[in-house]
Amino acid sequence: AQKVTQAQTEISVVEKEDVTLDCVYETRDTTYYLFWYKQPPSGELVFLIRRNSFDEQNEISGRYSWNFQKSTSSFNFTITASQVVDSAVYFCALRTTDSWGKFQFGAGTQVVVTP
Amino acid sequence: NAGVTQTPKFRVLKTGQSMTLLCAQDMNHEYMFWYRQDPGMGLRLIHYSVAEGTTAKGEVPDGYNVSRLKKQNFLLGLESAAPSQTSVYFCASSERQNRGGTGTQYFGPGTRLTVL
Repeated sequence: AQKVTQAQTEISVVEKEDVTLDCVYETRDTTYYLFWYKQPPSGELVFLIRRNSFDEQNEISGRYSWNFQKSTSSFNFTITASQVVDSAVYFCALRTTDSWGKFQFGAGTQVVVTP
Repeated sequence: NAGVTQTPKFRVLKTGQSMTLLCAQDMNHEYMFWYRQDPGMGLRLIHYSVAEGTTAKGEVPDGYNVSRLKKQNFLLGLESAAPSQTSVYFCASSERQNRGGTGTQYFGPGTRLTVL
């Protein structure tokens, strides 16, 4: 069975601080895909990034960076120099190749950035 | 290109009433999904569809029915609404993964439903 754990329920930071969101996943499949989504206070779910199990290359995109480590089954997400607009709930999700496209979502981490 | 749209955005029902939520996507995606989101519960899959005319149960299907008569539309029905169905409902769609698609799910804006 697939499982995604986001142990951090809420993280509060002051603007310009860095924020790292943890995501730990469980799957027996050797081919799988990991995702991060952002849900701002307006409520929509916005796709941020996708990684497949064969690509452990970490990525930086502007103030966002991702750290994928298969050895520890983790797919962590960092916001550098946080801004108030980063305040949102962030979801990590896992999809395996035999899941008919279904995702297993984590419970989400609320990020609160105060000025 | 509107992506995924949902109708209506808000709705208030009385217990026992019925309603249908409409999801439409213009990305020619094979797969479509209905989720509900409740405080502290994350996203839970209600039903999904991997092709026109085909539907399947997700994690929390009780009290809901779905239909996918057209590839671009996925309807979620509540036959007899209950207060426990008060929630925010999201529709999503994705490409078919074994045809080279990324499998990324794209979400609609959500429908906020209150059952009194």
